[in-house]
Amino acid sequence: QVQLVESGGGVVQPGGSLRLSCAASGFIFSNYGIHWVRQAPGKGLEWVAFIHDDGRDPYYVDSAKGRFTISRDNSKNTVYLQMNSLRPEDMAMYYCANLRPGEHDIDYWGQGTLVTVSS
Amino acid sequence: DVVMTQSPLSLPVTLGQPASISCRSSQSLVYRDGNTYLNWYQQRPGQSPRRLIYKVSNRDSGVPDRFSGSGSGTDFTLKISRVEAEDVGVYYCMQGTHWPPYTFGQGTKLEIK
Repeated sequence: QVQLVESGGGVVQPGGSLRLSCAASGFIFSNYGIHWVRQAPGKGLEWVAFIHDDGRDPYYVDSAKGRFTISRDNSKNTVYLQMNSLRPEDMAMYYCANLRPGEHDIDYWGQGTLVTVSS
Repeated sequence: DVVMTQSPLSLPVTLGQPASISCRSSQSLVYRDGNTYLNWYQQRPGQSPRRLIYKVSNRDSGVPDRFSGSGSGTDFTLKISRVEAEDVGVYYCMQGTHWPPYTFGQGTKLEIK
């Protein structure tokens, strides 16, 4: 079955960096773009970033541009989110997801990894 | 960016009674291919989001038929015909027409009275 497993979250000071990983299985990874979506504690969902199946032309939410970098290694079925210059408002559960808004049953989320930004 | 506005934000419902959640977008969600990429998600406490409805009114596999979606253009509705205890959680609409970014509504918290 499809699995997305995030890792790499933790506690970091403001201005620090973290690299999140998302390991995928159960589908042909190199055929799908992958998203990162975050959820601040007690808040709603916010789309963060996307990378195409072949790694070209990533997209970012405005607040992440210049600070976050999404990348992928199709040989390892893994997507990464490098987060630099972290701010308190980046504190959230980060989910990786395979989202296809127009396709039946193609909508998969990981369990999330928690990023805490605090001094 | 497209702004998604849900109402109500809190929805207390008696077991067995119907429930309805509204979602409005700041611009039409009809894409150039004629499809409308408006999805509904359920997030139960402590769980990841789960999609219920895609393209306004299509249920994903395993979604009970008491859930239905409707609407067009900028106005959309998620209805639960008879609320059950397992329906407790937060419901989000999400647009995938004008992206990036995908945008979500603020969420509607459904609880049992």
